[in-house]
Amino acid sequence: NAGVTQTPKFQVLKTGQSMTLQCAQDMNHNSMYWYRQDPGMGLRLIYYSASEGTTDKGEVPNGYNVSRLNKREFSLRLESAAPSQTSVYFCASTSRRLTNEKLFFGSGTQLSVL
Amino acid sequence: TQLLEQSPQFLSIQEGENLTVYCNSSSVFSSLQWYRQEPGEGPVLLVTVVTGGEVKKLKRLTFQFGDARKDSSLHITAAQPGDTGLYLCAGATTSGTYKYIFGTGTRLKVLA
Repeated sequence: NAGVTQTPKFQVLKTGQSMTLQCAQDMNHNSMYWYRQDPGMGLRLIYYSASEGTTDKGEVPNGYNVSRLNKREFSLRLESAAPSQTSVYFCASTSRRLTNEKLFFGSGTQLSVL
Repeated sequence: TQLLEQSPQFLSIQEGENLTVYCNSSSVFSSLQWYRQEPGEGPVLLVTVVTGGEVKKLKRLTFQFGDARKDSSLHITAAQPGDTGLYLCAGATTSGTYKYIFGTGTRLKVLA
């Protein structure tokens, strides 16, 4: 069972370039999330999708866009990358069938913007 | 913006010592979760506390949710090198839609 799969695992961009981080889950979860984690820090919520067809801003949405393509996939796009977006990006999902379900995380994408 | 502050930020202790990590907020959460993260991996859930005042034990780890559901603590008894990692608290909100806000993190190193 793959769980939450993120691609790519590593990426180096130049300032101004664009890219899309892909995330897919095979657990039939309703809710999906994108977080960023800076060195030695906690996770900050960028965007989330409570259910298929809906997306909402989190704590740090500026410079990012998202697409909930279907129930399985939730992508994060950087239109014009900036050095401040150098971080590790985590995708997570949860079922929300019950309250307080745990988050399942992917293994992360390490992004460097030069 | 909800903010979850963890303290201490860093902790280095000897094997066998006890420690407590705190997670504080001015906001009320429907539940609070504790995760542990190893280098190069995503966080993994340790426990979820839901009721104000709730205490849960997981072997040598004791978790408590504050009465007002604004704060939580993690106590580790007789720490072992295997406890080394980044500990994160996360508050779940239900205001409109579900989202999980993470704390600032506590990096623990247990020396043999």
